[in-house]
Amino acid sequence: AQSVTQPDIHITVSEGASLELRCNYSYGATPYLFWYVQSPGQGLQLLLKYFSGDTLVQGIKGFEAEFKRSQSSFNLRKPSVHWSDAAEYFCAVGAVVTGGGNKLTFGTGTQLKVEL
Amino acid sequence: DTEVTQTPKHLVMGMTNKKSLKCEQHMGHRAMYWYKQKAKKPPELMFVYSYEKLSINESVPSRFSPECPNSSLLNLHLHALQPEDSALYLCASSQVLGGGDYGYTFGSGTRLTVV
Repeated sequence: AQSVTQPDIHITVSEGASLELRCNYSYGATPYLFWYVQSPGQGLQLLLKYFSGDTLVQGIKGFEAEFKRSQSSFNLRKPSVHWSDAAEYFCAVGAVVTGGGNKLTFGTGTQLKVEL
Repeated sequence: DTEVTQTPKHLVMGMTNKKSLKCEQHMGHRAMYWYKQKAKKPPELMFVYSYEKLSINESVPSRFSPECPNSSLLNLHLHALQPEDSALYLCASSQVLGGGDYGYTFGSGTRLTVV
């Protein structure tokens, strides 16, 4: 069974500083990996995804993530954080399921706080 | 149209009530999902529909009854819920198989409170 670990529950950064959110996954085959962002009381917005090809993935809002198979990691980065980036960030691994469809398994999330 | 629309946005129901949550998408996705998210927790899968057929039920209590009447609509019927069922219920859709468009689109959710 797949699993995701996000070791940082809370992270605080200053506006304009760089950001890295950590994600480690466990999956027996080539993983489908995702980063989602959730503002309070809202649904989840897809930031970026990886399933093959270039291991450095570019997403929306200036985010990028790097897939490292040897480390089972898919860390999210942003060179300069904006106050509007404050939110909950979820890493997820996807697996195709019997009968069709895909199951996403989420990490526990990282709450990002941005100091002005 | 690249959205998943969920109604209502908020719902308060008593433990003896029957209510339904609705979800609609027009992206041509043939897989649709219900997730449950408790406060400060990640979403957890409840049901998966593929080509309008139930393909996964993650051991969800029978007081939750999903329905997929057509390829654009997904309902979640609620009956005799408990206060611990209070949560954000998220609907999502995706392509059935992987490939270039692999990834979910989530709705903004229905905030359910059971009193």
